[in-house]
Amino acid sequence: NFMLTQPHSVSESPGKTVTISCTRSSGSIASNYVQWYQQRPGSSPTTVIYEDNQRPSGVPDRFSGSIDSSSNSASLTISGLKTEDEADYYCQSYDSSNQVFGGGTKLTVL
Amino acid sequence: QVQLVESGGGVVQPGRSLRLSCAASGFTFSSYGMHWVRQAPGKGLDWVAVISNDGSNKYYADSVKGRFTISRDNSKTTLYLQMHSLRAEDTAVYYCASAFDFWSGYYGHWGQGTLVTVSS
Repeated sequence: NFMLTQPHSVSESPGKTVTISCTRSSGSIASNYVQWYQQRPGSSPTTVIYEDNQRPSGVPDRFSGSIDSSSNSASLTISGLKTEDEADYYCQSYDSSNQVFGGGTKLTVL
Repeated sequence: QVQLVESGGGVVQPGRSLRLSCAASGFTFSSYGMHWVRQAPGKGLDWVAVISNDGSNKYYADSVKGRFTISRDNSKTTLYLQMHSLRAEDTAVYYCASAFDFWSGYYGHWGQGTLVTVSS
């Protein structure tokens, strides 16, 4: 089984840009899609990025996703930070037998 | 609009059983794979199980294999999770989530969750 490792927390000021990483422990990050979910306090998760870099309708283009095979990692970048972006963010991927979530990153916008 | 409403959670003693339900509406339930994902208090998301749209494929996390069973009734647009031999570490909010492609698809819609507490 592989793991997805995320930083425990990140913080940045409103209007700035932040990037959250998600590193796959084994197997290629490019072999299977990576998704990103946002979970605000007291709410259910929602999708902000799917299939590595696709945004569902309704998600602002301030959110973008990418993968980097050299570091075997995926990244979620949020530009023009707003206070409403403060939430936990989870990456998720899979292999032939497991669905795996990263441990989550708490984004603080201060 | 899409709605997923979980029910059946509660307090249960270790070793006992519980069945969760997830009532779906607002989309073609029989076309979507469905997942159960749980979240222990103050912790991250933890995948539990998935079932394909027609119920023919089912997969489980190692932590629940042999104890939990996922099933669905497309005529009732309802997803189920039968949980046996419950342990304290199964204590969590349990979410159901839809995925058009049951394995490689993203979890497009989530329910509000139902809390399961395993305690004596």
